[in-house]
Amino acid sequence: SQQGEEDPQALSIQEGENATMNCSYKTSINNLQWYRQNSGRGLVHLILIRSNEREKHSGRLRVTLDTSKKSSSLLITASRAADTASYFCATGSFILTGGGNKLTFGTGTQLKVEL
Amino acid sequence: GAVVSQHPSRVICKSGTSVKIECRSLDFQATTMFWYRQFPKQSLMLMATSNEGSKATYEQGVEKDKFLINHASLTLSTLTVTSAHPEDSSFYICSAPGLAGGIGTDTQYFGPGTRLTVL
Repeated sequence: SQQGEEDPQALSIQEGENATMNCSYKTSINNLQWYRQNSGRGLVHLILIRSNEREKHSGRLRVTLDTSKKSSSLLITASRAADTASYFCATGSFILTGGGNKLTFGTGTQLKVEL
Repeated sequence: GAVVSQHPSRVICKSGTSVKIECRSLDFQATTMFWYRQFPKQSLMLMATSNEGSKATYEQGVEKDKFLINHASLTLSTLTVTSAHPEDSSFYICSAPGLAGGIGTDTQYFGPGTRLTVL
């Protein structure tokens, strides 16, 4: 079942501007992850934030997590044309057998960065 | 980093035939793998959790007799779409959690996906 809602559904910005995407979810989580998907391709893991963390940085990426509001945001600073892709949040919950997280994906944001 | 491959990358088949998709973890072992389906311009929907040496766990609404999953080894899971119909046309993606070599179980490594078109 679809857990997360993302907004906006689509975002178009100029190169150099910042892009902010938001994700809301419904149930308790172990962690929240953000992924990027270029058209017709597989997913690339961007960043993971655990439920006891509030903010995390990785290069030009900044992720926040508010578990009281069940929401997260992804900020991409100084965007580049190469950042054009779909971005998905995914909430992770541990599974009992075999390890790893069962991921439930949000609806996604299509980001277009124009020159 | 950890690599997951899928084969084939693209397949076109006639309605009523069966199609097998392979998912391999190339440089790590995975006792668990996940299979997702993604329709155009939509998000990924988890279909099932593949467990090495035991039965797969299917999500609600996914027909286990139609989507057969076999996780025969620690590096290979297969998804067979049986008696495929045009509505099964989709992008099928597998993933595996990183377990060894310092990779945390929180991280998922995704395959490049398989585009299935059923005529």
